[in-house]
Amino acid sequence: AQKITQTQPGMFVQEKEAVTLDCTYDTSDPSYGLFWYKQPSSGEMIFLIYQGSYDQQNATEGRYSLNFQKARKSANLVISASQLGDSAMYFCAMRDDYGQNFVFGPGTRLSVLP
Amino acid sequence: EAQVTQNPRYLITVTGKKLTVTCSQNMNHEYMSWYRQDPGLGLRQIYYSMNVEVTDKGDVPEGYKVSRKEKRNFPLILESPSPNQTSLYFCASSLKGGNTIYFGEGSWLTVV
Repeated sequence: AQKITQTQPGMFVQEKEAVTLDCTYDTSDPSYGLFWYKQPSSGEMIFLIYQGSYDQQNATEGRYSLNFQKARKSANLVISASQLGDSAMYFCAMRDDYGQNFVFGPGTRLSVLP
Repeated sequence: EAQVTQNPRYLITVTGKKLTVTCSQNMNHEYMSWYRQDPGLGLRQIYYSMNVEVTDKGDVPEGYKVSRKEKRNFPLILESPSPNQTSLYFCASSLKGGNTIYFGEGSWLTVV
């Protein structure tokens, strides 16, 4: 069965610094996708970045990049140059091509300090 | 505009009074899912559906029912709500094999 682990319930980072949010996953399917979502205090879920298991390069979207280490089954989110608006809950998720179901981790609450 | 629409957005109800939270998507997505979010527990899946008339239990299906009679709609039914079902509920949809999943705005449900 699929499983997502996010071991950091909460993180603090100073404004303008980079931060890494950890995510490890477990699946027996060789083909899968990995996702990160942001949930600000207003509650909506905002898609940030996607990485396919066969993608050769790490995904990047603006200040977001995904540090994908397939052998370690990790998909860490890196946010560069943190901004106050980055303070939010962050969820890692996975979908495998066999089950096609989306599974989410418990989330990490990021607080950016001025 | 591509969207997932949930209703109601906010509801306070009493124990035992049946309620339905509707979910509709206009993107012709095959996959739809319901999650509940509780502090410290993240998003837990209640039910999901891969297509019309195909539904499966997620991690926390007890106390909930769903149906998928049409592709666009995936209602969540609480036959006899209890206070432990007080939560924030999200509906989501995706193309089969898609590289993103679209969320509704969430439904805050309080059962007293």
